Amino acid sequence: DAKTTQPTSMDCAEGRAANLPCNHSTISGNEYVYWYRQIHSQGPQYIIHGLKNNETNEMASLIITEDRKSSTLILPHATLRDTAVYYCIVRVARSGNTGKLIFGQGTTLQVKP
Amino acid sequence: GAVVSQHPSRVICKSGTSVKIECRSLDFQATTMFWYRQFPKQSLMLMATSNEGSKATYEQGVEKDKFLINHASLTLSTLTVTSAHPEDSSFYICSASVSSYNSPLHFGNGTRLTVT
Repeated sequence: DAKTTQPTSMDCAEGRAANLPCNHSTISGNEYVYWYRQIHSQGPQYIIHGLKNNETNEMASLIITEDRKSSTLILPHATLRDTAVYYCIVRVARSGNTGKLIFGQGTTLQVKP
Repeated sequence: GAVVSQHPSRVICKSGTSVKIECRSLDFQATTMFWYRQFPKQSLMLMATSNEGSKATYEQGVEKDKFLINHASLTLSTLTVTSAHPEDSSFYICSASVSSYNSPLHFGNGTRLTVT
């Protein structure tokens, strides 16, 4: 599976948009980009995923560049509860053989009042 | 939907004893479950992949005789830490997914194991 590179940490002001970048320059055509977050001492929470089109759900938006070598997770109005470690993961999904998730170090997002 | 329940949330055991951790998918059938462990201030490390009705596949460096995984049904997988030692103290997390080409894994809330 392709590796990802994320900044170690970021700060964001409460109420502002948080834009978390991720590089995955070796991504292959059948690999999805997944985003999870982990709040201290809890299991990771699924946020969003995509293949090549931009995606939006109730939590966030995912912007994937046309060459698919990088992506950005956008939390439109960050709150203090969004403070967490955010993981960008590239995953191969095969029918009948669910692809595993390999976690990197992630980005620690600190939302400040 | 897509709830994964893990039990117990915390367990303390004595060195040399065995501990069983359960992972259940509450509202969906999970053909594949994954077990991770996480040490303080570190990321999650995948230990093994378990498919219902077959033997688990362990990641390199994970002792299969020490970490016994059973995936007897589509909603239950168990991880047994055998002959636990203090260095096995960690946060163990399971995840589960339906067998779908494009569906996310959902995680349990983890089990904090402390071996004294």
